[in-house]
Amino acid sequence: SQTIHQWPATLVQPVGSPLSLECTVEGTSNPNLYWYRQAAGRGLQLLFYSVGIGQISSEVPQNLSASRPQDRQFILSSKKLLLSDSGFYLCAWSPNSGLLVTEAFFGQGTRLTVV
Amino acid sequence: TQLLEQSPQFLSIQEGENLTVYCNSSSVFSSLQWYRQEPGEGPVLLVTVVTGGEVKKLKRLTFQFGDARKDSSLHITAAQPGDTGLYLCAGVDNYGQNFVFGPGTRLSVLP
Repeated sequence: SQTIHQWPATLVQPVGSPLSLECTVEGTSNPNLYWYRQAAGRGLQLLFYSVGIGQISSEVPQNLSASRPQDRQFILSSKKLLLSDSGFYLCAWSPNSGLLVTEAFFGQGTRLTVV
Repeated sequence: TQLLEQSPQFLSIQEGENLTVYCNSSSVFSSLQWYRQEPGEGPVLLVTVVTGGEVKKLKRLTFQFGDARKDSSLHITAAQPGDTGLYLCAGVDNYGQNFVFGPGTRLSVLP
């Protein structure tokens, strides 16, 4: 069966420090991968998605970047965090059959607080 | 831009009551999904509806996809405290590789 791992679960970082959040998927190959940010108790904002190694699409201009160095690894990074980067970050994957995606599976999320 | 709206935004009911939450758009979606999310955790997929007019049942939860594939509803019968959470609907966007999420309905079922 497929599983998704996202870490760390919580993170407190000072303003101006770098960020690296990692997400890995097991039990599948060539998945679509996604990074979302969620405001408190509300819907999900898509930040980045990837349909293959090295292929990253950005949905929202921001202080963040993403990379996909391996098929099932997705990394969210920042060189210098801002207070506004605080939030709940979610990694997700979706089966990539070459056709329309139909469902997403999420990691447990990372609560990032920038102080 | 495809958008999904959800109503109500908040809902607080007593255990045993029935409820319906709605997900609406002016855009057509190839499929819609419903997720439930608990605080501090990632959303968990409940169901995917694909065909216009489709009805799916998951125990006490009934999901319906509108005939025009622009809207969906989630009906819960005899709600229980364990149903408490944020219910999110999502649809596949026009590119076919991404999901558009609604803002969610926060449900609280009181014992």
